[in-house]
Amino acid sequence: DSGVTQTPKHLITATGQRVTLRCSPRSGDLSVYWYQQSLDQGLQFLIQYYNGEERAKGNILERFSAQQFPDLHSELNLSSLELGDSALYFCASSLRAGGAGELFFGEGSRLTVL
Amino acid sequence: GDSVTQMEGPVTLSEEAFLTINCTYTATGYPSLFWYVQYPGEGLQLLLKATKADDKGSNKGFEATYRKETTSFHLEKGSVQVSDSAVYFCASGHFGNEKLTFGTGTRLTIIP
Repeated sequence: DSGVTQTPKHLITATGQRVTLRCSPRSGDLSVYWYQQSLDQGLQFLIQYYNGEERAKGNILERFSAQQFPDLHSELNLSSLELGDSALYFCASSLRAGGAGELFFGEGSRLTVL
Repeated sequence: GDSVTQMEGPVTLSEEAFLTINCTYTATGYPSLFWYVQYPGEGLQLLLKATKADDKGSNKGFEATYRKETTSFHLEKGSVQVSDSAVYFCASGHFGNEKLTFGTGTRLTIIP
């Protein structure tokens, strides 16, 4: 158990819909990362927050947004969903903002868009 | 930007066989290098890491050596077990940078 909790574990929805994925980081970790894992793209970095502020942005679509709340949990919002958004979305956390240290991953939220 | 290239999978081996999973990286400067493992139904977890050239990371019988001259970080294990069946990801990152760059992953299956 990494200590990172993601909900929901599975989600099935239709094209055009909007969903919210939630992540609770390990106790004490200030940094949260979102990654998308798809069969053809591997593990792609989406966005990082540190102590409530956006820290780094990767290959995140404009239809997607995220935030980190004062209690340090984070939410990833995916809107106007397309079939290609079907993937496993991972949240990871770490203590510091940088340092290229160890990331602790949750078990992922599997999104299926029909 | 940085990139990581892993050998294509899937890889299927018999128990007690020798394992090598190749990984090469492209990066500015000198990144830290990592191997993460993803067991079925679980998130990724750090297997081992190396932070500078010639460093050897090791854990659970797995080893990888940071080779600057060949920009490689190949994962090896002398005798694999069925419990090693998982997806293995090579990754790179820089101190002060906020993200890791992952390879596409290599699925390893060990048969008894």
